[in-house]
Amino acid sequence: AQSVTQLDSHVSVSEGTPVLLRCNYSSSYSPSLFWYVQHPNKGLQLLLKYTSAATLVKGINGFEAEFKKSETSFHLTKPSAHMSDAAEYFCVVSDRGNQFYFGTGTSLTVIP
Amino acid sequence: EPEVTQTPSHQVTQMGQEVILRCVPISNHLYFYWYRQILGQKVEFLVSFYNNEISEKSEIFDDQFSVERPDGSNFTLKIRSTKLEDSAMYFCASKGGGLYNEQFFGPGTRLTVL
Repeated sequence: AQSVTQLDSHVSVSEGTPVLLRCNYSSSYSPSLFWYVQHPNKGLQLLLKYTSAATLVKGINGFEAEFKKSETSFHLTKPSAHMSDAAEYFCVVSDRGNQFYFGTGTSLTVIP
Repeated sequence: EPEVTQTPSHQVTQMGQEVILRCVPISNHLYFYWYRQILGQKVEFLVSFYNNEISEKSEIFDDQFSVERPDGSNFTLKIRSTKLEDSAMYFCASKGGGLYNEQFFGPGTRLTVL
C-alpha cells in the first residue's frame, strides 16, 4: 500500500530563515515523489519531482528536496524563506505512475 | 505555457440537483483525473480516466458520480443528485504519457451544496 505522511500540519518561519517541510512515504514499488504548492484560491503547482534519477532534486523558487530511501523520506527545504512562500504544501507519491497519493498538507506561514 | 482549465470557478446548487463540472486538459495529455478537497482536509483521489474509460476509482466515486470525455477536449465530472457533503473544491488534472510524468492541475471548481 502507498501512503504519505506529512509530519507537520503547520510550520511557521521568519523571513530569511530556512524552511523544512517533512514528508515520509511508504510504497511497495520504486516511487515517484512530488511536492506541490497551493496558494490561496489557486490550483496546485508542481515545485519539484523525484523519478529515480538524482536523489537531490532542485525545483522552482529555490526549493529542493532529497530522496532518502533508507529513511523513506522526501523532505522539502529552502535556505531562505520569502513572504511569497506562504502557502499550503503537499507531498505526493506515485508508484505505478497512474495513481497519486496526497499527504494531508503543511501550511507554511512566513513572518516578516 | 499550456494549462488545465476548469469551469465554473464556483458553483452553487441545491441539494438533490445535478451538477456538471467541466475541465479542459492539456491537449496532448492521455491521462485525466478528478480530485476533491473538502475545506480544511486533504486532497482526495476520485477517479482516473485513460483511453476513454475509467482506469481507477476510489470509494468516494459511487454511483452518483460519472465522468465523460464527450468531444476529445473536455473532461467532465457529473454528480447526479448532490448532497451537502459534496461541498468541496474539485480539481481536474491531466498527465502525459510515460511512467513518471507529473500531473498538471487546474485551478479548481468550488462546489457549494445548500
